[in-house]
Amino acid sequence: DAGVTQSPTHLIKTRGQHVTLRCSPISGHKSVSWYQQVLGQGPQFIFQYYEKEERGRGNFPDRFSARQFPNYSSELNVNALLLGDSALYLCASSLGLFGTGGPYGYTFGSGTRLTVV
Amino acid sequence: GNSVTQMEGPVTLSEEAFLTINCTYTATGYPSLFWYVQYPGEGLQLLLKATKADDKGSNKGFEATYRKETTSFHLEKGSVQVSDSAVYFCALSDRGGTSYGKLTFGQGTILTVHP
Repeated sequence: DAGVTQSPTHLIKTRGQHVTLRCSPISGHKSVSWYQQVLGQGPQFIFQYYEKEERGRGNFPDRFSARQFPNYSSELNVNALLLGDSALYLCASSLGLFGTGGPYGYTFGSGTRLTVV
Repeated sequence: GNSVTQMEGPVTLSEEAFLTINCTYTATGYPSLFWYVQYPGEGLQLLLKATKADDKGSNKGFEATYRKETTSFHLEKGSVQVSDSAVYFCALSDRGGTSYGKLTFGQGTILTVHP
């Protein structure tokens, strides 16, 4: 059974450009969350989607947006890229909203390494 | 708001040494607590979790006990191996308020184990 898959694995963009990152959750998982991990720090929460609706948003500017599709896959979009957006972007999926207890839990993908030059 | 604080600085140990990585938290609701591990160039893997006070999570020789009275969730292993070298993150998920299911992470602790 495939885990959480993210694409692309690496990409390089120029300041001011736009980028789209993609995530396919584990089959049957309805919740997808996005995290930004800057080098040397812990991941920071960006968005959570559950059943195609936004259920949580972290402290990120409006340049960051996301959506979830009917098949529960998700895209993260970042406009007007800044050097400070360079990071590892992680996607996590879970069966339910909270990802806690019982059979629930968050499963992370390997991430997309974004470099802005 | 919620926060997680891990012990600062990298940890360097010899193989078979005892490991402790401290983690304390602040939460407004009823958090569940997690330890995640990240190997070089990879995403996060769940190591263990505890969902209520006094629960002990364990996996691969690692243990952590949810201590509500001290708001702590320290990670321990009796005998580390070179293969345990990685970055370890303490995290919480809080159902209270508007936190929904988001994970709040500590800053991570780099563990290096020498033969």
